[in-house]
Amino acid sequence: DSGVTQTPKHLITATGQRVTLRCSPRSGDLSVYWYQQSLDQGLQFLIQYYNGEERAKGNILERFSAQQFPDLHSELNLSSLELGDSALYFCASSVEAGPSYEQYFGPGTRLTVT
Amino acid sequence: GDSVTQMEGPVTLSEEAFLTINCTYTATGYPSLFWYVQYPGEGLQLLLKATKADDKGSNKGFEATYRKETTSFHLEKGSVQVSDSAVYFCALPMNSGYSTLTFGKGTMLLVSP
Repeated sequence: DSGVTQTPKHLITATGQRVTLRCSPRSGDLSVYWYQQSLDQGLQFLIQYYNGEERAKGNILERFSAQQFPDLHSELNLSSLELGDSALYFCASSVEAGPSYEQYFGPGTRLTVT
Repeated sequence: GDSVTQMEGPVTLSEEAFLTINCTYTATGYPSLFWYVQYPGEGLQLLLKATKADDKGSNKGFEATYRKETTSFHLEKGSVQVSDSAVYFCALPMNSGYSTLTFGKGTMLLVSP
């Protein structure tokens, strides 16, 4: 158990819909990362937050947005969903933002868009 | 940009066999290098890391040496177990100084008794 929790574990929804994925980082971790894992694209970095502020952006679509709240939990919002958005979405956290700090991954949310 | 390339799988071995999973990288400077492992149905977890050239990271019998001459960070284990069956990812920070990671495509390892 990494200490990072993600809800829900599974999500099935239809095209065009909007969903929210939630992540609670390990206690004391200030930085949160979101990744998307799919068979064709592999593991792709989406976005990073540090202590409530956006720190870095990766291959995140405009239909997707995220935020980190004062209690440090984070939410990833996916809208106008398409079949290709079906993937595993991982959240990770680290104590600080820097390459030497280990990232701890949550168990993921499996999103299926039908 | 910075990237990693790792061998495609699956790698299929018998228990107690020697394992090598190749990873090469392209980067400016000398970033930290990581191996992550993903067991079935779980998230990724850090297996080992090396922060500078010639460093050897090791954990749970796995080793990898940071070789700047060959820009490689190959993962090795002398004797694999069935419980090592998982997907292994090589990774490095996207840009020097940042903590966001870029991952290789992953190599599935299947170990049979």
